[in-house]
Amino acid sequence: QQQVKQSPQSLIVQKGGISIINCAYENTAFDYFPWYQQFPGKGPALLIAIRPDVSEKKEGRFTISFNKSAKQFSLHIMDSQPGDSATYFCAARKVNYGGSQGNLIFGKGTKLSVKP
Amino acid sequence: DTGVSQDPRHKITKRGQNVTFRCDPISEHNRLYWYRQTLGQGPEFLTYFQNEAQLEKSRLLSDRFSAERPKGSFSTLEIQRTEQGDSAMYLCASSRGQFNEKLFFGSGTQLSVL
Repeated sequence: QQQVKQSPQSLIVQKGGISIINCAYENTAFDYFPWYQQFPGKGPALLIAIRPDVSEKKEGRFTISFNKSAKQFSLHIMDSQPGDSATYFCAARKVNYGGSQGNLIFGKGTKLSVKP
Repeated sequence: DTGVSQDPRHKITKRGQNVTFRCDPISEHNRLYWYRQTLGQGPEFLTYFQNEAQLEKSRLLSDRFSAERPKGSFSTLEIQRTEQGDSAMYLCASSRGQFNEKLFFGSGTQLSVL
């Protein structure tokens, strides 16, 4: 059972364009939604994250939009650059009993290519 | 933070052999996670530790897999009687505490089972 569904699988964007990656989740107990960026041969690195009490979070060129009622969230990369070419993963985490964080459940990833 | 360190970076083994991987988390991070990633997929949770205690194991984790974190510092992941389906990138991550959300990942150990 895939708890976090990510689309598209791959994305090609021109330099300066906007890259948009979408994720949908099923478990309403999820309380934390990060996006990770992964370059070939490296482990994932946290890019930006959001909690469900906020509808949008922006950090530099990266924005997360969150729709709690639709159980969807998306990553927007403004002014996309060739250096942004990487694989992006959305993830979700639910809180354990007692309030501590549980493990992250990842989407399958989106391979982004930004053409110069 | 010096980063999460994993050793070896690459491991090639024959089917049926045992392999062991090591992870050194960022110092003072008391949570340590193991994930597995296959080509074209997102990381898949295997297990995690709070200090030396193993708190959760994935139901997908075969009994051929065992992980330890004996002194709450480094961790090892052992796979016994490897199978070709075990070929994957094994990622380790650490975080500062049970209420700290940011996971720092290592570069992983790429396992190839022939």
